[in-house]
Amino acid sequence: ELKVEQNPLFLSMQEGKNYTIYCNYSTTSDRLYWYRQDPGKSLESLFVLLSNGAVKQEGRLMASLDTKARLSTLHITAAVHDLSATYFCAVDLGAGNNRKLIWGLGTSLAVNP
Amino acid sequence: GAGVSQTPSNKVTEKGKYVELRCDPISGHTALYWYRQSLGQGPEFLIYFQGTGAADDSGLPNDRFFAVRPEGSVSTLKIQRTERGDSAVYLCASSSQGVSTEAFFGQGTRLTVV
Repeated sequence: ELKVEQNPLFLSMQEGKNYTIYCNYSTTSDRLYWYRQDPGKSLESLFVLLSNGAVKQEGRLMASLDTKARLSTLHITAAVHDLSATYFCAVDLGAGNNRKLIWGLGTSLAVNP
Repeated sequence: GAGVSQTPSNKVTEKGKYVELRCDPISGHTALYWYRQSLGQGPEFLIYFQGTGAADDSGLPNDRFFAVRPEGSVSTLKIQRTERGDSAVYLCASSSQGVSTEAFFGQGTRLTVV
């Protein structure tokens, strides 16, 4: 059974600090996604990582994928309050066009002044 | 609108009743997915449509759950004889052709079975 494990599950950090969220998974896949979810809202796509060594950056967030280690990281640089949300990684097990995503439990991030 | 639209946004039903949840995907997206999300959990895959056909229904928990997409656009998730354990947020997503495309999610339908 595929497992997708995120850590930490809860993260409280101060504005201006840096931190990394880790996503480990237990089966072979070279497609991994990061999503953001605000309370009571739906899921917003952040990053699509499609190959080993992929690195993508958007603003204060940077995501990377190491398919050999079955590890993805989401790095937060100089956090601001607006980044407070739950962040999910999802591993794609689908073939072809099928986005059959297996999700972690999410990391609930609170950025405090 | 340009996004995935789901109706209703909230549904409260009695145990044993039948419910239908509707999803209107992004125009032109041939792939459509249903997921459900329980409180404090990540979403759980239910079913994938490519066009009108259910290409992967491996996530449907049992035969009380059924989904259709008769014209390759709008989809309906149908749940018979609802149980309290069916309470969750049901999310619909769609994506365009191609292995590198991501799924775009709707706001979800919060189903509560009392």
